[in-house]
Amino acid sequence: KQEVTQIPAALSVPEGENLVLNCSFTDSAIYNLQWFRQDPGKGLTSLLLIQSSQREQTSGRLNASLDKSSGRSTLYIAASQPGDSATYLCAVENQAGTALIFGKGTTLSVSS
Amino acid sequence: ETGVTQSPTHLIKTRGQQVTLRCSSQSGHNTVSWYQQALGQGPQFIFQYYREEENGRGNFPPRFSGLQFPNYSSELNVNALELDDSALYLCASSVAGYGYTFGSGTRLTVV
Repeated sequence: KQEVTQIPAALSVPEGENLVLNCSFTDSAIYNLQWFRQDPGKGLTSLLLIQSSQREQTSGRLNASLDKSSGRSTLYIAASQPGDSATYLCAVENQAGTALIFGKGTTLSVSS
Repeated sequence: ETGVTQSPTHLIKTRGQQVTLRCSSQSGHNTVSWYQQALGQGPQFIFQYYREEENGRGNFPPRFSGLQFPNYSSELNVNALELDDSALYLCASSVAGYGYTFGSGTRLTVV
């Protein structure tokens, strides 16, 4: 059974810091991996999708990497801003492409 | 693109009642999935529909059921509501291999 773990569970940083969020999964037989952002009480906003043949994706200040063989992904946020404060969720798609399995998320707080 | 739209945004139901949640998929997306998110947890997969047929189901009892319509809109039905069904219900639409787009969710409270 696929399990997804995100470390740390919570993180507080001052504005301007670069930071790394970690995601690990137990079964390397995945289809895609997707990172989401969730503001309190809201839905999920897709940040980055790493397709099965890819190892990295970048969007603005965000960079995500994927190492399927070791079951790890990292989300790098450069020059953090207070507006980045949210919960970040990592999700792996099963190999059949029928479901996402989520971690519990990392709650980020960026202070000005 | 119109995105994924869910209705209602909030509702309160009594234990034992039935509820229907609705979702309008993003234009061009032929697959819809439903997820349940309890407070402080990651979303849990309920089921997925492709071309109006269920093609994947998570660990949820049969009182959770769904429909997908020819225009790719979808419903989630929950019968015999229990207190533990209180959660944020998220709908997502997708095209195979291109990731998932989520709606803003429906907050269900069972009292």
